[in-house]
Order: sequence, then structure tokens, then C-alpha cells
Amino acid sequence: EDQVTQSPEALRLQEGESSSLNCSYTVSGLRGLFWYRQDPGKGPEFLFTLYSAGEEKEKERLKATLTKKESFLHITAPKPEDSATYLCAVGGGGSEKLVFGKGTKLTVNP
Amino acid sequence: DTEVTQTPKHLVMGMTNKKSLKCEQHMGHRAMYWYKQKAKKPPELMFVYSYEKLSINESVPSRFSPECPNSSLLNLHLHALQPEDSALYLCASRGQGKGSYEQYFGPGTRLTVT
Repeated sequence: EDQVTQSPEALRLQEGESSSLNCSYTVSGLRGLFWYRQDPGKGPEFLFTLYSAGEEKEKERLKATLTKKESFLHITAPKPEDSATYLCAVGGGGSEKLVFGKGTKLTVNP
Repeated sequence: DTEVTQTPKHLVMGMTNKKSLKCEQHMGHRAMYWYKQKAKKPPELMFVYSYEKLSINESVPSRFSPECPNSSLLNLHLHALQPEDSALYLCASRGQGKGSYEQYFGPGTRLTVT
């Protein structure tokens, strides 16, 4: 059974304090690992897709990396507007389904 | 453009009402999804349509009835809902073919059942 575990559940940072979020996964035939950002009461916003171990993608202050067992979302010099819940999901095999982690709630204080 | 739109943004309905949620995308995507999301939980898959045909029903109660009138539209018909059905309902779509596995979500409809 495909599984995704995100840690920590919640993370508080000071503005400018870099850190990383973790997403550990087990999946049969990885089709893709996906990172989303979700603000309260809104739909998830797509950030990145990673397909194979060693792949990295960047967008502004965010950088996502992938190994065979986990993915990291690195946040460099975060700003208060980066505060949100970050969701990790995997797609496996020929299934249409995404398996989501429970998310990491990030709070960046000014 | 990666926009999925949903209407209404908010909906309050009684347990005997019939209402519908609407979703639209103009990205040419041929897979569309309905999710339900409760507070502080990840999205929970309800239905998947692929090429306008229902391909996955995650054992959703019959008081939720999906419909895909064409490749751009997705509806969710609601009838005789229970208070525990109150949640954020999300629509998503996905492109077809290799390298198009990410799903794009709409802003959601906040449903309250009284």
C-alpha cells in the first residue's frame, strides 16, 4: 500500500531562517511526487513534480529534491507570505489516485 | 493558464435541499476529480472522470451524484446531505500523456449542511 508521511506536522520559523520539510514515501512504481501549497480555506496550489531520484526543482525561495525514499522541500530565507500548509503527494503505478501526506503547517514570523 | 474554476464559493443547505456544485477547466485536460477536505486533513478522493466517463468512485454515498456533461465541465449534485458532509469540496483536473501527472485544483466550494 502506498504511504506518505510528512514531518514535522508544524514548523515555526523567523523571517530569514532557512529550513526543510520532509516527505517520506513508499510507493509501487513512482509516477511522480508532487508538492502543493495550501492556504486556509483555499484549494491546493501546485508547486513541483519530481519524477526520479536525484531530481531537483526550484521556484523562488523553494527547492524540492527527491531520493528513492524521501523528498525535501527546502525553504531559503522565508518570508511571512510563505506561511501555509505544504502537502506532499505521490502517484504510483497506473492508478489515477494521489496519496497525500497530512501536510506540514509552516508559520513564518516577521 | 492552469486555472480551474468552481462555483459557488460558499453554499449553505438544509438536509432536504438539492443543490449542485460546478467545476470548469479550459486547459484541455481529460481527467477531472472531486475531492472532499475536512479541516486540518488532506484532500480525500471521491470521484474520477477520465474522458468524460466515471472511472473511480471511492464508495461515496449515493447522496453525492457526479456528472460530466463535457470535457470542460464537472458537476456534483447534492441531495439529502448530512451535517457531517460539511467540508471544502475541491475539483481538480490533469492533463494526459507522459509528464502530465500533476493535478491542478480549483479554489473549492465551502459547503455547510444545517
